[in-house]
Amino acid sequence: AQSVTQPDIHITVSEGASLELRCNYSYGATPYLFWYVQSPGQGLQLLLKYFSGDTLVQGIKGFEAEFKRSQSSFNLRKPSVHWSDAAEYFCAVGAGYNQGGKLIFGQGTELSVKP
Amino acid sequence: KAGVTQTPRYLIKTRGQQVTLSCSPISGHRSVSWYQQTPGQGLQFLFEYFSETQRNKGNFPGRFSGRQFSNSRSEMNVSTLELGDSALYLCASSGRPGSTNEKLFFGSGTQLSVL
Repeated sequence: AQSVTQPDIHITVSEGASLELRCNYSYGATPYLFWYVQSPGQGLQLLLKYFSGDTLVQGIKGFEAEFKRSQSSFNLRKPSVHWSDAAEYFCAVGAGYNQGGKLIFGQGTELSVKP
Repeated sequence: KAGVTQTPRYLIKTRGQQVTLSCSPISGHRSVSWYQQTPGQGLQFLFEYFSETQRNKGNFPGRFSGRQFSNSRSEMNVSTLELGDSALYLCASSGRPGSTNEKLFFGSGTQLSVL
């Protein structure tokens, strides 16, 4: 069965510092992978997605993620964090082709940003 | 273009009651998915509807049900509420199922509290 693990429950970084959020997945075939961000009291916003092709994916708000099949990882990165990036971040894997509405989410990583 | 609209935003019910939540997808979207979000279990897929038909279902008891109307609006119903049903219920809509460009757009959710 598909699963997603986000090893870090909470991360604190200083504003302007770089960021990497970890995500490991378990999936039998080529996965559809996503990163979402959720601000308090809000729904989820898609940051980026990987379906196939280039393993380095660019997203919105300056985020990028790299798909590494050998490590079953899809880590999210940002070179310089802004205070407005404080939120909860979720990695997700699609349940399969033509299962588009069904995503398996990780437990989330809460990001705090120090001034 | 208006986003995904969920009503009501907040709801308080008592054990044993039933509740109906509503979701209006983005105009033109025909797929609606529902998720339950709790601090303990995280984000869990409930079900997905496309063209008034349930396409996928998660591992929830039969007390959780849903439907979709011809205008793509969707409702979910929870009968015989339990304390553990307290959660943020998120609705997401998407365009063409099975497309590699498919992505979910989430609403802000309905926060349900069961007393």
